[in-house]
Amino acid sequence: DTAVSQTPKYLVTQMGNDKSIKCEQNLGHDTMYWYKQDSKKFLKIMFSYNNKELIINETVPNRFSPKSPDKAHLNLHINSLELGDSAVYFCASSQELGKNIQYFGAGTRLSVL
Amino acid sequence: QKEVEQNSGPLSVPEGAIASLNCTYSDRGSQSFFWYRQYSGKSPELIMSIYSNGDKEDGRFTAQLNKASQYVSLLIRDSQPSDSATYLCAVGPSGNTGKLIFGQGTTLQVKP
Repeated sequence: DTAVSQTPKYLVTQMGNDKSIKCEQNLGHDTMYWYKQDSKKFLKIMFSYNNKELIINETVPNRFSPKSPDKAHLNLHINSLELGDSAVYFCASSQELGKNIQYFGAGTRLSVL
Repeated sequence: QKEVEQNSGPLSVPEGAIASLNCTYSDRGSQSFFWYRQYSGKSPELIMSIYSNGDKEDGRFTAQLNKASQYVSLLIRDSQPSDSATYLCAVGPSGNTGKLIFGQGTTLQVKP
């Protein structure tokens, strides 16, 4: 069983569309994260949730909205997609806040045309 | 000044040699330090964590932390072609947010 799983793995869409990426972890962790990795491979945190509560929101445009229905799931919804949103989005989880060993999902490669 | 800095490389070493990867960080209150390995097209994979000054060894890998100099390094002994990847330094800054700040990564090439 994959510990942190994301769907879809690839997402190709047109500018202006709305899309969602789903993430689930079966590790029993309390904390989940979304990261964006741009074309230069720079990995930057976007959001973190701890037990369904938003902890970090790193100056991300409000077109990006995370949702955590329970502590095992953290989904990312993106409205009005722009060319600059093209990147690989990684979900990660850690046992609890402050226990910073984070385990990453396989990533979702988003291409906005 | 970037919060976490690494030389992007590529760093090229012959098989069997020691590869030395370096990272500096700006937040003096940082509490936790990690090295992740990322193969092309794959997700980051944790290889080492270190929290206190000194050396920490795990197999062929040694992490070194010097908080006074705000410097963390990773040594890979007996480098293998399978070690060829991008190595990401990640730092947990002060505060209890769980946030990790990543460097831009160093690409390592181990030549047979």
